[in-house]
Amino acid sequence: EDQVTQSPEALRLQEGESSSLNCSYTVSGLRGLFWYRQDPGKGPEFLFTLYSAGEEKEKERLKATLTKKESFLHITAPKPEDSATYLCAASLMFSGGYNKLIFGAGTRLAVHP
Amino acid sequence: NAGVTQTPKFQVLKTGQSMTLQCAQDMNHNSMYWYRQDPGMGLRLIYYSASEGTTDKGEVPNGYNVSRLNKREFSLRLESAAPSQTSVYFCASSEGRKETQYFGPGTRLLVL
Repeated sequence: EDQVTQSPEALRLQEGESSSLNCSYTVSGLRGLFWYRQDPGKGPEFLFTLYSAGEEKEKERLKATLTKKESFLHITAPKPEDSATYLCAASLMFSGGYNKLIFGAGTRLAVHP
Repeated sequence: NAGVTQTPKFQVLKTGQSMTLQCAQDMNHNSMYWYRQDPGMGLRLIYYSASEGTTDKGEVPNGYNVSRLNKREFSLRLESAAPSQTSVYFCASSEGRKETQYFGPGTRLLVL
């Protein structure tokens, strides 16, 4: 069964304390790995797409990496405004050429001053 | 550009009532999607529309119907609401079937 698991469920950091979020996936035929940020009461906001093992992408304090079994979202020197839930989703082929997204449950990140 | 917009933002229904959730996008995207998000679970696809005039079932379509009114608008209808449909509903759109999906702000639905 296709599955995406994120860990930890929740993470509390002090401002400036770097850490990583994990997204492990077991899917057949990965087409891409997506990262989204979701603030409370809002919709997911697109961050990154990774397509092949070894690929890395960066945006401000965030860097996403991909291996054949998992993806990491590294947060360097986080600030309180980085507090949010981070979602990852695996894209795989579905019917009609459509790419289906399977989402993990997310990691709730809280960064304290 | 407003992106993806959804109405209403919040709704309370009684069991058995019906309602339609509205979604519109102004990005000229071809594909549109409806998801539900429940605590402790990932977003799950209810229905999608790969292009104007087509709709298909996702993972959890039971109890829902959709209409792709035109290229901009994609509505989700609950014919007879049940407490199990209490959730947050998100609409999303993408340029094509394989592209990045962009999400709306969500509709919070409570069924009593």
